[in-house]
Amino acid sequence: DTGVSQDPRHKITKRGQNVTFRCDPISEHNRLYWYRQTLGQGPEFLTYFQNEAQLEKSRLLSDRFSAERPKGSFSTLEIQRTEQGDSAMYLCASGQFGTQETQYFGPGTRLLVL
Amino acid sequence: GESVGLHLPTLSVQEGDNSIINCAYSNSASDYFIWYKQESGKGPQFIIDIRSNMDKRQGQRVTVLLNKTVKHLSLQIAATQPGDSAVYFCAGDSGYSTLTFGKGTMLLVSP
Repeated sequence: DTGVSQDPRHKITKRGQNVTFRCDPISEHNRLYWYRQTLGQGPEFLTYFQNEAQLEKSRLLSDRFSAERPKGSFSTLEIQRTEQGDSAMYLCASGQFGTQETQYFGPGTRLLVL
Repeated sequence: GESVGLHLPTLSVQEGDNSIINCAYSNSASDYFIWYKQESGKGPQFIIDIRSNMDKRQGQRVTVLLNKTVKHLSLQIAATQPGDSAVYFCAGDSGYSTLTFGKGTMLLVSP
């Protein structure tokens, strides 16, 4: 257990529905990252926060995706109007900028869009 | 940008053997690399990291070697155990505080 938690662990939804995932990072970490991982591939970066500020978004992050970290602690990732191609594992990682760059991952949320 | 890849998709070893997993990267500006282990249905688990100013770093039963000349790094696992069976990813710092991952190598350890 890395200390990073994600909820839910599994989500099945129908195409066109909205889904929201939550990530709770290691409490003293100021950086929080979202990645997406499809079967047989390595994780792909989506976006990251330093405290409340969203500092970078990947080109992979379409307009249907939005992420927030309102108080600099937990974060949510929302996908609107889900598509079958959104089916993947969504991973959250946390790290501490300034002292180390290691990112510690949570268990992930596996999304299946039917 | 960073491109990180692995040479072999699957590595099969016998319990007790030493395992070597290789990784190549393309961005010579990358200065930080991590090896992760991922078991089925779980998130990646940190194993060991190395900065570009080092060429070797050792942990418990694991060693990472970095060759900046040929942009290659490897993970060596000593006395491989069945519990080491997993997919192993190398990841590099792309320079924007994000990691770029390769596709992974599946390590299969038979008793």
